[in-house]
Amino acid sequence: GNSVTQMEGPVTLSEEAFLTINCTYTATGYPSLFWYVQYPGEGLQLLLKATKADDKGSNKGFEATYRKETTSFHLEKGSVQVSDSAVYFCALTEANSGYALNFGKGTSLLVTP
Amino acid sequence: KAGVTQTPRYLIKTRGQQVTLSCSPISGHRSVSWYQQTPGQGLQFLFEYFSETQRNKGNFPGRFSGRQFSNSRSEMNVSTLELGDSALYLCASSTDLPDTQYFGPGTRLTVL
Repeated sequence: GNSVTQMEGPVTLSEEAFLTINCTYTATGYPSLFWYVQYPGEGLQLLLKATKADDKGSNKGFEATYRKETTSFHLEKGSVQVSDSAVYFCALTEANSGYALNFGKGTSLLVTP
Repeated sequence: KAGVTQTPRYLIKTRGQQVTLSCSPISGHRSVSWYQQTPGQGLQFLFEYFSETQRNKGNFPGRFSGRQFSNSRSEMNVSTLELGDSALYLCASSTDLPDTQYFGPGTRLTVL
């Protein structure tokens, strides 16, 4: 089957610090990869996605590159803001599971002023 | 374009009761998926509907069921509620899979 592993949180950073949240996956085929973000009391928002190897997804200063050789999709941001405080979920979809989203456990990020 | 809407936003039930949750997808979206989010198990896929047909199902007991109407609105039902069913239930819509899934705000179910 397929699975997603992401680093345990919580992650606490000062404003303007560099962010990396690690995500690795196992899959039997050719998955699409996603980062979703969940703010307190809300549903999930798509942050970025990549559908094939070497694709880079980017949005709102966040980036992630689909690395097939290391089965990774690490999330990065050069300078975090307090408003980035949220829970971040790495996820994949694959044809052999009907494209259901398979999520990692989530990483809580707290950015302090 | 309006986003995915879910009603109600909060619900409190007691063990043994049943509950129905509703999801209205983004206009033009025909695929609706449901996910359960709990602190212990994280986000888990329940089922997916397209054109009123269940196309995919996750690993949940038969107490969890759903349906989709001709206007693509979907409902999920949980019968004989258990304490462990307390969770945030999220609905996501897509034009069709594998296109991107967009989530609603969720329904917070508490079972006492």
